[in-house]
This record gives sequence, C-alpha cells and structure tokens, in this order.
Amino acid sequence: QSALTQPRSVSGSPGQSVTISCTGTSSDVGGYNYVSWYQQHPGKAPKLLIYDVNKRPSGVPDRFSGSKSGNTASLTISGLQAEDEADYYCCSYADNYTWVFGGGTKVTVL
Amino acid sequence: EVQLVESGGGLVQPGGSLRLSCAASGFTFSAYWMHWVRQAPGKGLVWVSRIYSDGTNTIYADSVKGRFTISRDNARNTLYLQMNNLRADDTAVYYCARDSRYTPDYWGQGTLVTVSS
Repeated sequence: QSALTQPRSVSGSPGQSVTISCTGTSSDVGGYNYVSWYQQHPGKAPKLLIYDVNKRPSGVPDRFSGSKSGNTASLTISGLQAEDEADYYCCSYADNYTWVFGGGTKVTVL
Repeated sequence: EVQLVESGGGLVQPGGSLRLSCAASGFTFSAYWMHWVRQAPGKGLVWVSRIYSDGTNTIYADSVKGRFTISRDNARNTLYLQMNNLRADDTAVYYCARDSRYTPDYWGQGTLVTVSS
C-alpha cells in the first residue's frame, strides 16, 4: 500500500498548460482503469475532477483531462486559470480490494 | 444534492477511542459503498477503509487494521468509524466519501481527530 508518486509541485502562467504525473505499479495504476483525480483548495474537501482515467463528471471544465500509459497516469490542465491554484491528488483502485492515493501536487499559477 | 456531514472528532489521549459518524442525504445511501479517507495536517490523502452497501464486507488499510472498524446503519443513513487504541500518527482530518464504481466521488467536509496527551 505504498503511495502513488506525484511531483511535489508544478507551476505555470495563466493560459499555459501543466501536466501532473502519477506513477504506480501493475498492482494499481497499471492494472486497473479506475484512476481518479481530485482538486483540493486549502481547508476544503477534495473535489472529483476525473474518474475512470479520462472521464469528467458533469460540471468539471473540459480544461481538465486525464490519460494513462502503463503504470503512469497524467492530469493535464489546459488554459491555466488563477482558480486552478490548489493541491491535486491521484487515486487508484488497487489489488486486494484497496485504494491508494498519490502524495499530492501543489499547482502554482505564476 | 448529495450531502455528507462528518461528526465525532476531537481530542483524545493515546490509547483512547473515538467513534466518527457521517450523516448522508440527497441519495439512496443503502445503494452505495462508502469510504473513510484521512489527511494528517499538511500531508496528503490516505485511504482508510471501505464498506459494502449492505455492510456485509469491509476492508482496511494495513495501518489501521485491527484497531478501526467501519460500519453503517442504512435505516439511519449513517456511516461510522470506530477507532480504538489511537496513536499520535492517527491525528488527521477524517473524510467520509461515497463510492461510485470504484471511485470516491462525493466527500464530506471532514472532522478533525487529534491524538495527544
């Protein structure tokens, strides 16, 4: 049950794109298409952005997109906006009927 | 509108116990698996436990196995987490979350548990 690996921080200017990686193993990210991404602002609850690797819940802007290759999933934020400054977490269903989260990535809008 | 409201957090001494509750509304509670996820101060999210919709199956992270018990009362639309033998490293905000096809989708606002003497 080791945490998935995410970069500690990424940054970009308004309008740019940033990509956050989430690396696991064949026992989690690589083995299942149940990868999700969450946005968390300080003091707030996590909000679901992406599920099933690349699906967006209704109401989530299409600036947010997800993908997966092998044991690594990615979240891309296109057209970065000031309100996108937050912490982002990946999550994957894993072997033995468990779930595992990434360590989180702080996105800074320059 | 889906709502999840946690309660029961507070300050407890090492070795003590607490029971957290999560009141659900806005959806058919008895039809969904539910999770507990925690977040230590300044740290990331950590999955804790999951329970089936009918309560017949539960699973735990290794770090809490044997100390925590997840349960639910579908008649009261309430999820619980009984936490025993608490340790300092259990200090965290505890969130309940609804599961939709292996994805925690809706989350409560969390309740803070502090384990300290």
